[in-house]
This record gives sequence, structure tokens and C-alpha cells, in this order.
Amino acid sequence: GENVEQHPSTLSVQEGDSAVIKCTYSDSASNYFPWYKQELGKRPQLIIDIRSNVGEKKDQRIAVTLNKTAKHFSLHITETQPEDSAVYFCAAQKGNTGFQKLVFGTGTRLLVSP
Amino acid sequence: SAVISQKPSRDICQRGTSLTIQCQVDSQVTMMFWYRQQPGQSLTLIATANQGSEATYESGFVIDKFPISRPNLTFSTLTVSNMSPEDSSIYLCSVGGTSGRGTDTQYFGPGTRLTVL
Repeated sequence: GENVEQHPSTLSVQEGDSAVIKCTYSDSASNYFPWYKQELGKRPQLIIDIRSNVGEKKDQRIAVTLNKTAKHFSLHITETQPEDSAVYFCAAQKGNTGFQKLVFGTGTRLLVSP
Repeated sequence: SAVISQKPSRDICQRGTSLTIQCQVDSQVTMMFWYRQQPGQSLTLIATANQGSEATYESGFVIDKFPISRPNLTFSTLTVSNMSPEDSSIYLCSVGGTSGRGTDTQYFGPGTRLTVL
């Protein structure tokens, strides 16, 4: 089955710096890759997702890149702010032929210091 | 996106008892799922709740321990049976196939924080 590895487990940056979180997956059939942000005591919230027919997607300060050949995808946050501090989870899923489950990475705790 | 609610939001239970968690969505959804998130850990899928039929369980989770119901397209329940302290966790429902999004996009409910003494 699918296995998703996520690095780093913790990331500390200064406000205004960029942050990059990387994930690798094992199943080449996976074609949907969402990212979730989970603040302390809150539910995971979808912040951006990418499908395998594109290599990059941006939404304001957040971008995700996908390299299907290498089977890895990354989350990029620019101009970080203290409110970006949270745990970020990547996930991978196969689709199309019936629903397939999301497999989550182990999470990255991002701390943005003022 | 759909509005998802869970009840209860938290509970403290005695070992050996059972707790039923409810998940309600404000619109019909194709898929409903139940996850467990242990403190400081990632999300682990327990099962997919199938409308009108038995749930599909992931490896390591069994129906006798985690019976699930899904009577319609907006509601599901998860029961944690014969609880032990190891069941202390956050239980989250998620939904996929909401209006305007594909079935692969999942949104999470607020979670139920369970403590077993």
C-alpha cells in the first residue's frame, strides 16, 4: 500500500522567511496530494491540493510543487507570519477507479517566531 | 464547503464502557470516513462509512470494537466499544464528495476528544 514520508518533523523560522516541507510517496498510481494545516486543538483544514496533471499550484503565499518522476511533493510558504505556526500534514491518494483512501504523512510542526 | 459537526466534542469515560460519536453534515456527501488521531500523532483512517451497508475497515480496526453506522448521506456514527485507556484519542469524521468538489477532497469535522480512565 501507499506510504508517505514527511520531513522535517519540526521547522523553526523567523517571521518573513520562507518555509519548505517535503513529502515522498511510494505508490506511483497516487494522483491527488492535499495539504492540511492543523492548529492546536483544531480540526485539520485543507489549505491547498494538487493533482498529478499539474506540476505546481499557487494560492497567495502558499505553493505546492509535484515531481511525479521522483514521487515527491513539497509545500512552500513565503513571507511567513506567526499565524502560520501549526502542524502541517501532507497526504497522497489514488483516485479515478473508485474511491481510495488518503494516506497521511507524519506531520511537520512549523513555528514562526516574530 | 460543507458544515460538519460532531457530538460530543469531548468526553471522559470509564474503562469497559462504550461511547457513540455522531457526525452530521449540512448537505449530502458521497463519502464519510472516521479517523483517529492520538496525541501528537498523524491521522489514521479507521474505516470508510458506507451508506446502507457495512463499513470498510482498515487493517488493525475491527467492527466489534468500532461499529459504524451510516443510515443516510448526511449522518454517521462511530462507537468505541469496551474502552480502555489506549482508546484515549481524538476521533474525527471527514467527508468527501461535497457539492462543487470531487470525491477525493476531504473536509474534517471538529473532532471528539475522548479520555478513558
